Amino acid sequence: NAGVTQTPKFRVLKTGQSMTLLCAQDMNHEYMYWYRQDPGMGLRLIHYSVGEGTTAKGEVPDGYNVSRLKKQNFLLGLESAAPSQTSVYFCATGTGFYNEQFFGPGTRLTVL
Amino acid sequence: GENVEQHPSTLSVQEGDSAVIKCTYSDSASNYFPWYKQELGKRPQLIIDIRSNVGEKKDQRIAVTLNKTAKHFSLHITETQPEDSAVYFCAARRTGNQFYFGTGTSLTVIP
Repeated sequence: NAGVTQTPKFRVLKTGQSMTLLCAQDMNHEYMYWYRQDPGMGLRLIHYSVGEGTTAKGEVPDGYNVSRLKKQNFLLGLESAAPSQTSVYFCATGTGFYNEQFFGPGTRLTVL
Repeated sequence: GENVEQHPSTLSVQEGDSAVIKCTYSDSASNYFPWYKQELGKRPQLIIDIRSNVGEKKDQRIAVTLNKTAKHFSLHITETQPEDSAVYFCAARRTGNQFYFGTGTSLTVIP
């Protein structure tokens, strides 16, 4: 089992470009999350999904969109990238009553 | 929303000594408090967690305590080893399945 995977691992964008980050899981977990991690700020929730076809906003949703068309995939989109979106992005899945989280390996995004 | 504060931001201990990291939270509805270890360039990994109906939990050299009245919880690592060096994050889960993370503690264990 691959667990939680993220594509791509690294990406450099120019301001104004768009891109989509893919999170895939083979653990059959209902919940999926997108976080960003910045130095000194811990992990902050961007968007999350409690099941196929559903999404909800987290702490810092502005500038991002998400889709969960299939249970195993959760996509994070940047329509017009800004330097403030330079960060490491982690996807996570959640399971169980308390929603224990399993993280993907991360995507390092740089916006110039 | 929830606000999780974590202290200290950096911690250095001698090998064999104990390390304690503390977190406070603001929302009394939070009911689950995991701790994650993140090595450089790697993903966060769950090392221990505690639920709101439990005051203390231990797993070998690590333990977590929860004081619901004071809204704080702590991670205790005993007999520290160099491989314990990493960044540790606490988190609190509110009802509604959102997690709020502390800002992390960089632990260095000096051989």
